[in-house]
Amino acid sequence: DAKTTQPPSMDCAEGRAANLPCNHSTISGNEYVYWYRQIHSQGPQYIIHGLKNNETNEMASLIITEDRKSSTLILPHATLRDTAVYYCIVRSGSARQLTFGSGTQLTVLP
Amino acid sequence: SQTIHQWPATLVQPVGSPLSLECTVEGTSNPNLYWYRQAAGRGLQLLFYSVGIGQISSEVPQNLSASRPQDRQFILSSKKLLLSDSGFYLCAWGAGHQETQYFGPGTRLLVL
Repeated sequence: DAKTTQPPSMDCAEGRAANLPCNHSTISGNEYVYWYRQIHSQGPQYIIHGLKNNETNEMASLIITEDRKSSTLILPHATLRDTAVYYCIVRSGSARQLTFGSGTQLTVLP
Repeated sequence: SQTIHQWPATLVQPVGSPLSLECTVEGTSNPNLYWYRQAAGRGLQLLFYSVGIGQISSEVPQNLSASRPQDRQFILSSKKLLLSDSGFYLCAWGAGHQETQYFGPGTRLLVL
């Protein structure tokens, strides 16, 4: 699976949009972009995934660039409960292992 | 909706003692099941996965074993724990083409 690069930390004001970037310049054509988050001492929580089109669900939006070499996870109205480590993962459909990198520690400030 | 349970939530065990961690899934049939370990400050390591009852694949050689006695039950075991077995153990389930894996709450194991 392709490697991803994320900033180690970001802050966001409560109520504002949080935009978390991810670079995956070596992504292959059959690899999807997944986002998970992990709140301290809890299991990772699935957020969203996509192949090449932008995706939106009740939690977040995923914007993937046209060349698929980077993506942005958007939390439209961040709350204090969104403070967590966010992981961007690139994975093909046949892969069993989810490879989590270092992720981005998002801190939502009151 | 689907839910995944793990227990116990935390466990402190002496070196050399046995281990049994249980994971159960509700609300889905014939899921793929996974055991991961997350050591402090490190990423997730896939330990075992199962595509059906009695079918276990091991990803890394280790002191642990896994079993799937029922469709929605996955058990992680050890006969004799080592200090290096300490960590955060996560069970996950997935299903379908391009499956998404959903994680349980985890079991934090400390071997002393």
